[in-house]
Amino acid sequence: IAGITQAPTSQILAAGRRMTLRCTQDMRHNAMYWYRQDLGLGLRLIHYSNTAGTTGKGEVPDGYSVSRANTDDFPLTLASAVPSQTSVYFCASSEGRGNTGELFFGEGSRLTVL
Amino acid sequence: GQNIDQPTEMTATEGAIVQINCTYQTSGFNGLFWYQQHAGEAPTFLSYNVLDGLEEKGRFSSFLSRSKGYSYLLLKELQMKDSASYLCAVVDSNYQLIWGAGTKLIIKP
Repeated sequence: IAGITQAPTSQILAAGRRMTLRCTQDMRHNAMYWYRQDLGLGLRLIHYSNTAGTTGKGEVPDGYSVSRANTDDFPLTLASAVPSQTSVYFCASSEGRGNTGELFFGEGSRLTVL
Repeated sequence: GQNIDQPTEMTATEGAIVQINCTYQTSGFNGLFWYQQHAGEAPTFLSYNVLDGLEEKGRFSSFLSRSKGYSYLLLKELQMKDSASYLCAVVDSNYQLIWGAGTKLIIKP
C-alpha cells in the first residue's frame, strides 16, 4: 500500500539519549515535513524539505535535525532528548511545495522522554 | 501574531447536521484546509478552499469567506464514525501552513 511509513510507532527513552525517528514515503513526493502534535495545540512544523538535498527550519526546530539524502527518506534526529520533546511526531509529504497541496501523513511516532 | 480559532469540542446526534467553525487572522491568505483526525490516527485530507463559497463533497461541505476570515465545515447525516477531531489550517502569504488546535466532535446515538 502506497504511503508514508514511520518507525518506531512508540518509544520511551531516557533524557539525554539520542533518538532517530524514521520516515519513508513511496509516492515520489518532492516535499516532506516533520510535525509534532501536543494536546491543546495545533500541529507545529519542526523541519521540512522541499526536495532531496535541501532542508529548512520550521516553527519549532530547536533540539531537532533532519537530512534528505534521497527522495524517499526523511529521518528526524533528537541529539539529546529532553522531557519537553515528549509528543506525537507526524511525518508528512506533498506532491509539490508551497503548502497548497494535500498533505499525506504517516501514522505517527509517540515519543516519551523521561 | 497569526491565529486560528476553532471550538475545542462539540457534541451532536447521529443523523443530525453539525457545523464546525474556523476563524483566522493571518498575514495573507493562500487557501484553507480541513483535515479529519480519528483518535490515535493520522490526519486525513477533507477539503481545500481558496475562493469564497461553498464546496460540497458528499456528506461534507466546506465554506469560505475571505473578507470575514471565516470558514466552516458542515457535516450532514452524521454517523458514529464521524466522531473525530477536525483540524482547520490556513496557508499564509509566505505559504506557511498555520494550524488550529482542532475541534473534537462527539457523536451520540
